[in-house]
Amino acid sequence: DQQVKQNSPSLSVQEGRISILNCDYTNSMFDYFLWYKKYPAEGPTFLISISSIKDKNEDGRFTVFLNKSAKHLSLHIVPSQPGDSAVYFCAATGLYNFNKFYFGSGTKLNVKP
Amino acid sequence: EAQVTQNPRYLITVTGKKLTVTCSQNMNHEYMSWYRQDPGLGLRQIYYSMNVEVTDKGDVPEGYKVSRKEKRNFPLILESPSPNQTSLYFCASSPKVMNEQFFGPGTRLTVL
Repeated sequence: DQQVKQNSPSLSVQEGRISILNCDYTNSMFDYFLWYKKYPAEGPTFLISISSIKDKNEDGRFTVFLNKSAKHLSLHIVPSQPGDSAVYFCAATGLYNFNKFYFGSGTKLNVKP
Repeated sequence: EAQVTQNPRYLITVTGKKLTVTCSQNMNHEYMSWYRQDPGLGLRQIYYSMNVEVTDKGDVPEGYKVSRKEKRNFPLILESPSPNQTSLYFCASSPKVMNEQFFGPGTRLTVL
């Protein structure tokens, strides 16, 4: 059973608007979360991360929110740009098993000009 | 240029024919890992290595072997490939465990 889930396979947003990508996890021992972006025919590239001691982390247009009680994190992209069109993966790891990483199935974001 | 390289990028083979996918990083990273990406399943970790001569199983290690004789190289070995190992494979590295990982460009493997 997947421990990290991204329930929306795709998302379409207008350029300039906010994109919100969601991720849920089941293992309460996870305490470090990351988002990766992936373009076709390329490897994933790191976007932003958050530790469980925080509930928000910002980097330019990208903000990740963590709700530990709900075991939920989200990635906000504001404003969205056509170049943001890609597949986004969330990933998690934890101190109890910090050598392993668990990824979601990905959300394909399409930002329309 | 700092990078993770994988070879080959594409491979079509037949069931049972041993193959090796190479992975090399030039960033002096301690942690290296192999993943496979399948539709609807995202990336699943196959094996990882904390440092030279230290390797351990990820979530889906069956049918795979790895070795870490040098810090920069982490080859993935399929002793007897089967069609269910048809997938897109990624190698990744990071300075330490709880860090962002740098991914290679991927190897698309088809086992007939």
